[in-house]
Amino acid sequence: NAGVTQTPKFQVLKTGQSMTLQCAQDMNHNSMYWYRQDPGMGLRLIYYSASEGTTDKGEVPNGYNVSRLNKREFSLRLESAAPSQTSVYFCASSVEMNTEAFFGQGTRLTVV
Amino acid sequence: GENVEQHPSTLSVQEGDSAVIKCTYSDSASNYFPWYKQELGKRPQLIIDIRSNVGEKKDQRIAVTLNKTAKHFSLHITETQPEDSAVYFCAASDSSGGYNKLIFGAGTRLAVHP
Repeated sequence: NAGVTQTPKFQVLKTGQSMTLQCAQDMNHNSMYWYRQDPGMGLRLIYYSASEGTTDKGEVPNGYNVSRLNKREFSLRLESAAPSQTSVYFCASSVEMNTEAFFGQGTRLTVV
Repeated sequence: GENVEQHPSTLSVQEGDSAVIKCTYSDSASNYFPWYKQELGKRPQLIIDIRSNVGEKKDQRIAVTLNKTAKHFSLHITETQPEDSAVYFCAASDSSGGYNKLIFGAGTRLAVHP
């Protein structure tokens, strides 16, 4: 039982490049989330998926897109990376909204 | 939407002392208030949570209190130990948009000195 698994763990992008962060959970959770963590700003919600088939914007969605591929997988895409997107990205899942969230190990992304 | 403010941003205590971290929230409809601990280089993990129908919850050395009227909640750690050193995040549920999602505070870096 791996919990929430994110790939990759580290990534360096050049400005304007695109990439997709992958996230999968094996806990049969309905809800999944993407957060970014920046120094002094806590965890900010980018997008979430309350259940398979639905996605919604969070606090800071600009510059990102998401896909809930199936119940297990929730990916985050940066279409044209910018230095302001340098951050640590965490995927999380929960049985349903408003319950304990379990986090992945994080992806440290640097955009140069 | 929900706004969560957390204080202090850093806290330094001696081993054995108590530590208190406070959060305020803006959405009177919020009904779920978890606390997460994040050790250096690790993922956040839930340590305790409380729902709006109770005023206090305790789990060994940690406790959370909730004042719905004043819209604030606090984390209390007693008999602190060096392994309590970490960043602590509070969160509150935000019901705008039809779904309850968690909005986090900016975090408190707790240092426990032997």
